[in-house]
Amino acid sequence: GESVGLHLPTLSVQEGDNSIINCAYSNSASDYFIWYKQESGKGPQFIIDIRSNMDKRQGQRVTVLLNKTVKHLSLQIAATQPGDSAVYFCADLGNQFYFGTGTSLTVIP
Amino acid sequence: GAVVSQHPSWVICKSGTSVKIECRSLDFQATTMFWYRQFPKQSLMLMATSNEGSKATYEQGVEKDKFLINHASLTLSTLTVTSAHPEDSSFYICSARDAQHVYNGYTFGSGTRLTVV
Repeated sequence: GESVGLHLPTLSVQEGDNSIINCAYSNSASDYFIWYKQESGKGPQFIIDIRSNMDKRQGQRVTVLLNKTVKHLSLQIAATQPGDSAVYFCADLGNQFYFGTGTSLTVIP
Repeated sequence: GAVVSQHPSWVICKSGTSVKIECRSLDFQATTMFWYRQFPKQSLMLMATSNEGSKATYEQGVEKDKFLINHASLTLSTLTVTSAHPEDSSFYICSARDAQHVYNGYTFGSGTRLTVV
């Protein structure tokens, strides 16, 4: 079946460095993606979204890149802070509610 | 912005009893809400789509008679775990979308930690 999956389950970065979290999808008809941040014991929080007619979208300290050719998207966090430590999910909400397994980001002070 | 309130945030119940979890959209109306289950260190798994005024749509493998969903109003959906067993212990999360907002983002509740003993 269709899936949305993440390349790496864990990521550790030094405070102040940039973080890049990757996500692959398999449904070529997917047209809407969202990145969520989930802190321990809490529900996911919306970070940023992107539609398939875009290849880049920027928010506050975050940038999402979409490569439809290879069905890949990434979340870039600039100047990573300890408060960014969480699990990050990408989701394809254009067709189904598939969530990747998540990448656990740990920021090292 | 859109806020989804979920209650209770945690509950412990005895095996064989039923537990009701509420999901409310506080500042918007939601004709559709979604229920997820999340086991430790795993992703969210969609259980069912709750439709206001009609039957919920369950994902494959989810027992509709065990996980009763009621969406009686545009701001409230409830999930009742009936005859709960220890294997039902999990983190249950609901989400909803404010159709009035320009972006189609979904807002999640804060989750309910269910422990069945």
